[in-house]
Amino acid sequence: EAGVTQFPSHSVIEKGQTVTLRCDPISGHDNLYWYRRVMGKEIKFLLHFVKESKQDESGMPNNRFLAERTGGTYSTLKVQPAELEDSGVYFCASSQLSRDRVGNTEAFFGQGTRLTVV
Amino acid sequence: AQSVTQPDIHITVSEGASLELRCNYSYGATPYLFWYVQSPGQGLQLLLKYFSGDTLVQGIKGFEAEFKRSQSSFNLRKPSVHWSDAAEYFCAVGAWDSSYKLIFGSGTRLLVRP
Repeated sequence: EAGVTQFPSHSVIEKGQTVTLRCDPISGHDNLYWYRRVMGKEIKFLLHFVKESKQDESGMPNNRFLAERTGGTYSTLKVQPAELEDSGVYFCASSQLSRDRVGNTEAFFGQGTRLTVV
Repeated sequence: AQSVTQPDIHITVSEGASLELRCNYSYGATPYLFWYVQSPGQGLQLLLKYFSGDTLVQGIKGFEAEFKRSQSSFNLRKPSVHWSDAAEYFCAVGAWDSSYKLIFGSGTRLLVRP
């Protein structure tokens, strides 16, 4: 079974440019999460999709970030225009829906996309 | 507010020595606790998790962790470290607010001396 796949693995762009990150979750996983780790700091939640719907986007830094999950399959995270502080590693994770509110289904993470804005 | 603290940024141990990585959390309800590992070039891999029951949890690769409610801790241990254990380790708590999500600590980088 394929794991969570993220593209690209690395991206170097100039300030002001646009970058789109992609995440392919594990097939059948309705939950899809985006997290970000800025250099040396903790991994922080960005947003959560359940199927194609945004369940929680409270962690999105500002309106330069746009996440989509058309058809409830893969997801994209676009940064437009990119700023220097957007540099970091962007992780995607997916999990199955839990039947109760426990949320105790394991989240599987991709290898991350390292974004460098220069 | 929920938070996770990993007080050690770097730890260096000799191969074959024992290991303990510290994790303290702040969460109002019964926590769901996790340890993840990120090896170079790899994604985050789940080592172990605690939801309820026995407070000593066994994980993959010979790791274990003990949940101590009185200390708000969930320290990760391994009796004998292998060179392949060199990686970055993240403690996390599963938290509910707008939705269920993981709150991570800042990570501990483990270096293994031959």
